[in-house]
Amino acid sequence: QSVLTQPASVSGSPGQSITISCTGARSDVGSYKYVSWYQQHAGKAPKLLIYDVTLRPSGVSNRFSGSKSANTASLTISGLQAEDEADYYCSSYTLSGVYVFGPGTKVTVL
Amino acid sequence: EVQLVESGGGLVKPGGSLRLSCAASGFTFSSYSVNWVRQAPGEGLEWVSSISSESNYISYADSVKGRFTVSRDNAENAVFLQMNSLRVEDTAVYYCARDGAGDYGFDYWGQGTLVTVSS
Repeated sequence: QSVLTQPASVSGSPGQSITISCTGARSDVGSYKYVSWYQQHAGKAPKLLIYDVTLRPSGVSNRFSGSKSANTASLTISGLQAEDEADYYCSSYTLSGVYVFGPGTKVTVL
Repeated sequence: EVQLVESGGGLVKPGGSLRLSCAASGFTFSSYSVNWVRQAPGEGLEWVSSISSESNYISYADSVKGRFTVSRDNAENAVFLQMNSLRVEDTAVYYCARDGAGDYGFDYWGQGTLVTVSS
């Protein structure tokens, strides 16, 4: 099955913007618009931030945005806030008919 | 209010079996695919299985194929995960999640149920 790669950690100061990358292959991220992003605070269930590459569910702050170029999807958090400190996971549907998650990125607000 | 509540987790010996349940409420259950996602202690998320709204499309991660079976009962608004031949590496919190956002997005998640496989 496909493997997605994400940076292990990303940090930024309050108010800054950070970007988390999610690199896959033509068989997953590169083939579909089926990429989503999740935020998970310690001890909590994941929360959907972005679906279909760029779309935000209602109630999710517009500080979160998604994009994709070729086999790499990206999540950008603008105006970083203390509450954004969490783990972030990308996920994609694959040509094999299964889903995969990235290994996760720990975001630290300095 | 959309709710997903998992149950059935617990301690089981290697080689044993366990059946997880996911009870849904607050939405038209029969219209949505449901997935199982697990998270080993201190690790990331791992997709486990997916079942479509009418059970006509089912898929599994390679790590559980042949050992786990997903099913659903739309009359009971519930999804089940039958886990056989359990291994130590199956130890994890198991979440059920609704695939309800656009073409792909798990928009609602349960609180998870812990499965511990240990002798």
